Amino acid sequence: SYVLTQSPSVSVAPGQTARMTCGGDNIGSETVHWYQQKPGQAPVLVVSDDRDRPSGIPERFSGSNSGNMATLTISRVEVDDEADYYCQVWDMTTDHVIFGGGTKLTVL
Amino acid sequence: VHLVQSGAEAKKPGSSVKVSCKASEDIFRGYGVSWVRQAPGQGLEWMGGIIPMFETTTYAQQFQGRVTITADENSNTAYMELRGLRTEDTAFYYCAKQHGAALYDPWGQGTLVTVSS
Repeated sequence: SYVLTQSPSVSVAPGQTARMTCGGDNIGSETVHWYQQKPGQAPVLVVSDDRDRPSGIPERFSGSNSGNMATLTISRVEVDDEADYYCQVWDMTTDHVIFGGGTKLTVL
Repeated sequence: VHLVQSGAEAKKPGSSVKVSCKASEDIFRGYGVSWVRQAPGQGLEWMGGIIPMFETTTYAQQFQGRVTITADENSNTAYMELRGLRTEDTAFYYCAKQHGAALYDPWGQGTLVTVSS
């Protein structure tokens, strides 16, 4: 089955840029969505279709996807961005939805 | 659109639980509802989903035979029933409006199901 690999944790200082990766076999040919989950809350969609931002999501959030890696980038990181971030794809061969293991973003 | 889920449940091993997910408006025309769970301190795990318009359901392999997802279009409510509960089924269960194959937005607030003897 298809596997998405995320780094367990990323730490950045406020104002810096955070990059979180999601690795998968030829993931560049898949459509990737990213979700933010803060403690005690439900996940929230922050990037859809590799690079689109839903209404209400700051321009600081951006996505890219190529080759075997998709990336969620948060520019000018704020303390409020501290959360777990999950990547997700639909595996058409199995008609199953796959989530990465999640990356915990810590804002120092 | 808002999705409001039913309240927390405490269950015994071997029993069943049915969690509801009510939408604030008609979301079943052209959209689906999916269910995702999250064990304490763990990541997100897809369980399955339903597209009412096409009357189709898809389930994750690890839940096949134990889970049933249904939808009542008249009340804009989706349901997830999990049978044969085990202690490792203790988790938050989330519903989400499904756009296309797998875009989930928005999500319900989550329902905590605790399985303990």
